Amino acid sequence: GENVEQHPSTLSVQEGDSAVIKCTYSDSASNYFPWYKQELGKRPQLIIDIRSNVGEKKDQRIAVTLNKTAKHFSLHITETQPEDSAVYFCAARSLNQGGKLIFGQGTELSVKP
Amino acid sequence: KAGVTQTPRYLIKTRGQQVTLSCSPISGHRSVSWYQQTPGQGLQFLFEYFSETQRNKGNFPGRFSGRQFSNSRSEMNVSTLELGDSALYLCASRTRQGGSYEQYFGPGTRLTVT
Repeated sequence: GENVEQHPSTLSVQEGDSAVIKCTYSDSASNYFPWYKQELGKRPQLIIDIRSNVGEKKDQRIAVTLNKTAKHFSLHITETQPEDSAVYFCAARSLNQGGKLIFGQGTELSVKP
Repeated sequence: KAGVTQTPRYLIKTRGQQVTLSCSPISGHRSVSWYQQTPGQGLQFLFEYFSETQRNKGNFPGRFSGRQFSNSRSEMNVSTLELGDSALYLCASRTRQGGSYEQYFGPGTRLTVT
């Protein structure tokens, strides 16, 4: 069935370093891949997304890359700041599945000052 | 625009009871999806409603149900509550216009079943 694997489950970096979170999806019909940031006690917040017809998308310090052949996509955060500390979730949407998102298990990112 | 709102924010129920949660989408958004978030299972899709019709359903028992009203507001109901139903229930809305897939989440309802 549909599945999204996310790694690592925890990630600790020093302020200013880069952070990379990787996800792999199982359904080759997946065509939309959002990333959400969830701070403690808050709602998941959409931070960036990519469609299957694009290989890379960037928004200031964050970028997402997609490799459709490998069914793999990644979130890259550069020049990390303490306020980037949160749980990050990747997700995938399959064609003809409406708004159904399949989520990865989440990565707890800690940015140490 | 105001964001997605959910009521109530917190609920404590006992096993066997039933509960109704409410979600008001962003103005103009006609699609509402519901998710269950737990530490063990992560974020899992419950169902999606559009134009008052259920469009998609996740792998949850029939005790979980929902509906959508003509103003796009949605409710979900859980009957015969079990301890394992304790979770954060999130709803998300999207416009569906212009081929948009972006979903925006509400703050969630924290349900505790004792």
